[in-house]
Amino acid sequence: GENVEQHPSTLSVQEGDSAVIKCTYSDSASNYFPWYKQELGKRPQLIIDIRSNVGEKKDQRIAVTLNKTAKHFSLHITETQPEDSAVYFCAASIREIKAAGNKLTFGGGTRVLVKP
Amino acid sequence: EAGVTQFPSHSVIEKGQTVTLRCDPISGHDNLYWYRRVMGKEIKFLLHFVKESKQDESGMPNNRFLAERTGGTYSTLKVQPAELEDSGVYFCASSQQRQGPYNEQFFGPGTRLTVL
Repeated sequence: GENVEQHPSTLSVQEGDSAVIKCTYSDSASNYFPWYKQELGKRPQLIIDIRSNVGEKKDQRIAVTLNKTAKHFSLHITETQPEDSAVYFCAASIREIKAAGNKLTFGGGTRVLVKP
Repeated sequence: EAGVTQFPSHSVIEKGQTVTLRCDPISGHDNLYWYRRVMGKEIKFLLHFVKESKQDESGMPNNRFLAERTGGTYSTLKVQPAELEDSGVYFCASSQQRQGPYNEQFFGPGTRLTVL
């Protein structure tokens, strides 16, 4: 089955600096890669996702890149702010057109601390 | 629109006891997933319902876990008898059932289970 590795497990950055989280996956059939953010005491929430037919996607200060050949994808947060402090999870899934839905395989999570 | 709700938010039980967790998905979402995060590790898939049918239960750890979704609305996850290693946060997620590769999974706040 699919295996997702995520690094680093913790990341401390100064406010205004950039943060990068990297994930690798094992199943070349995976074609959908969401990122979830979980703030302290709250539920995981989708912040950005990318599909395998796209190499990069950007949404304001966050961007995700995907390298299908190397089977890795990364989350980039620029101009970090204190409210970016949270645990971030990458995930991989095999989305099939006719399928009702598919499970997510998650990485171990990265705890990001943005120091003011 | 109300999000995914879970009850209880926290449960403390002794080894050997029974606990039942409940999840109410977003109205109209046919897909319902159960996940678990143990000891700060990755969020792991347990099972997937489409309406009242179990689509994928490959992640269920053993026969002490029983999930139901009678009527295709809310779901329950029963652990009987509970063991120490069952401690963790149990998340429920739901998504729409529609053709195509994208259907965001919306997560509940989780139930923190502590087995003493």
